[in-house]
Amino acid sequence: DQQVKQNSPSLSVQEGRISILNCDYTNSMFDYFLWYKKYPAEGPTFLISISSIKDKNEDGRFTVFLNKSAKHLSLHIVPSQPGDSAVYFCAATTVGNYGQNFVFGPGTRLSVLP
Amino acid sequence: GAVVSQHPSWVICKSGTSVKIECRSLDFQATTMFWYRQFPKQSLMLMATSNEGSKATYEQGVEKDKFLINHASLTLSTLTVTSAHPEDSSFYICSARFAGGETQYFGPGTRLLVL
Repeated sequence: DQQVKQNSPSLSVQEGRISILNCDYTNSMFDYFLWYKKYPAEGPTFLISISSIKDKNEDGRFTVFLNKSAKHLSLHIVPSQPGDSAVYFCAATTVGNYGQNFVFGPGTRLSVLP
Repeated sequence: GAVVSQHPSWVICKSGTSVKIECRSLDFQATTMFWYRQFPKQSLMLMATSNEGSKATYEQGVEKDKFLINHASLTLSTLTVTSAHPEDSSFYICSARFAGGETQYFGPGTRLLVL
């Protein structure tokens, strides 16, 4: 049973427009969420995170929104750039429980078209 | 800051040999390091979690005698794939987390090809 889901395996967006990547989770114990970006044959790069005590966190072009009641989070990239083309992973964990690791979603491949 | 390196980046070896992969946190002390494997077009699969100075905790289905993990210092963890076989060919990625932090910082990955 997938605890973290990214139902869109791929997404194409025009350069300059907004990219919205979605993530759903089932485990109500998760209280910290992260987004990673990954290029082929490279390790994931941390982008942005959000704690469950917030519903929004913004860092430059990246904004993460969290809807706890819906167990849903989304990553907004505005404006999208061709260099944003990559696979984006959503991850969830429980703060302070160091025996518990991240649970990653399957990823969404974003293509930003020039 | 928070840079994690892996060495080597590529390994091509014959079936039956053992391969050692190093993961280093370059500018912070990593109390916990994680080892992942990623098959083509699939998500990251956690193999094991290692805390400095203690035995690694392996995920279900991961053979601890085949994938030996050592986390001898706060900046270095090693993964040894013993008697590698073609089905072990994969992309192995480590990550590190410092004490009190939640974010994991990933290494660049090591691609293993077993012939």
